[in-house]
Amino acid sequence: TQLLEQSPQFLSIQEGENLTVYCNSSSVFSSLQWYRQEPGEGPVLLVTVVTGGEVKKLKRLTFQFGDARKDSSLHITAAQPGDTGLYLCAGVEGYGGSQGNLIFGKGTKLSVKP
Amino acid sequence: EPEVTQTPSHQVTQMGQEVILRCVPISNHLYFYWYRQILGQKVEFLVSFYNNEISEKSEIFDDQFSVERPDGSNFTLKIRSTKLEDSAMYFCASSEASGKYFGPGTRLTVT
Repeated sequence: TQLLEQSPQFLSIQEGENLTVYCNSSSVFSSLQWYRQEPGEGPVLLVTVVTGGEVKKLKRLTFQFGDARKDSSLHITAAQPGDTGLYLCAGVEGYGGSQGNLIFGKGTKLSVKP
Repeated sequence: EPEVTQTPSHQVTQMGQEVILRCVPISNHLYFYWYRQILGQKVEFLVSFYNNEISEKSEIFDDQFSVERPDGSNFTLKIRSTKLEDSAMYFCASSEASGKYFGPGTRLTVT
């Protein structure tokens, strides 16, 4: 069974600070996706990383896929209160590109205080 | 922007009753999924559907569960005889090429 471990589980920081969230597995995934989920809503896709070593930037968010495609990180620069939310990583099973089924981590609950 | 919609937003049912959760995927998407999230736990895969048939299902998706695409727009999840442990948020998702788009979920409460 493939598992994804996210750390930290909870993170509370002040506005303007930088942070990194980690997603680790002993399994290789064909690709990995990061989602953000608000309370009572469905996950919203932020990014998909496919190639080992790939780095993608989305404004102040930087996503990296490990060389071995087993781990990923999300780095937020100069966090703002609007970044508050639950960040989920999800590995795509199999070799179906982004169409494979998702294995989700438990998430990192981020709170950014003004 | 196109989005996945789900109805109802909240369903309360008694143990042993049948429920049907409804989803309207994004119109040009070809792959459809159901996931569930028990309160405080991970989002878990239930089933994927492509070309009018189930392409994969998890251990959770036992004989009590079924899916259907009754027309060109709806995608339903039926639970025949609900159990207390079926209480969860149920998310429908659809995808075309990159990434999955999730609906807002149906909160199912089994009493």
